[in-house]
Amino acid sequence: DVKVTQSSRYLVKRTGEKVFLECVQDMDHENMFWYRQDPGLGLRLIYFSYDVKMKEKGDIPEGYSVSREKKERFSLILESASTNQTSMYLCASSSGWGAGDTQYFGPGTRLTVL
Amino acid sequence: GNSVTQMEGPVTLSEEAFLTINCTYTATGYPSLFWYVQYPGEGLQLLLKATKADDKGSNKGFEATYRKETTSFHLEKGSVQVSDSAVYFCALNNNDMRFGAGTRLTVKP
Repeated sequence: DVKVTQSSRYLVKRTGEKVFLECVQDMDHENMFWYRQDPGLGLRLIYFSYDVKMKEKGDIPEGYSVSREKKERFSLILESASTNQTSMYLCASSSGWGAGDTQYFGPGTRLTVL
Repeated sequence: GNSVTQMEGPVTLSEEAFLTINCTYTATGYPSLFWYVQYPGEGLQLLLKATKADDKGSNKGFEATYRKETTSFHLEKGSVQVSDSAVYFCALNNNDMRFGAGTRLTVKP
């Protein structure tokens, strides 16, 4: 089974802090994704990566950056956290890029910015 | 562009009731369609998928049929259990993954 793990289930940070969210997958997947989930809005793509050191902006990249130094690890960085970044953050990975490829999700990190 | 619309919740049913959660999509070409489930406090898990028209995806008593003529992928289960209480997301992948807003299902004993 694919396993995607995220470093924290719950985080509480202060406005202006730099925040790192870590994601690791164990299936040698090429593609990794970061989403945020907000009530009534479903999942919105922040960034994705299709290879080591490669990254692409998703629908809502503002205020975020990412890092992928190793194939299995994809980090989401909030350079200066703000209260409107309070949300559930979900990491996902997939082996391919075709329409039939399934994304596998981690358990999520619920981030609260005070 | 690609998009998914699913019925708004919340949906509350009694145990053993019949469940339908509607999902329609907009896409060009031939997307794959998915239902994911999110149990309380957890991430999304793939429930079922269909990759071409008229395919039926099924898992754990849930099923959904890919209807190209009506651009729909409605989720059904004949007899829900309390353990089915969760949020259900319809999604499509047309080389660009899109999710619906989610439908919260509560099943009461």
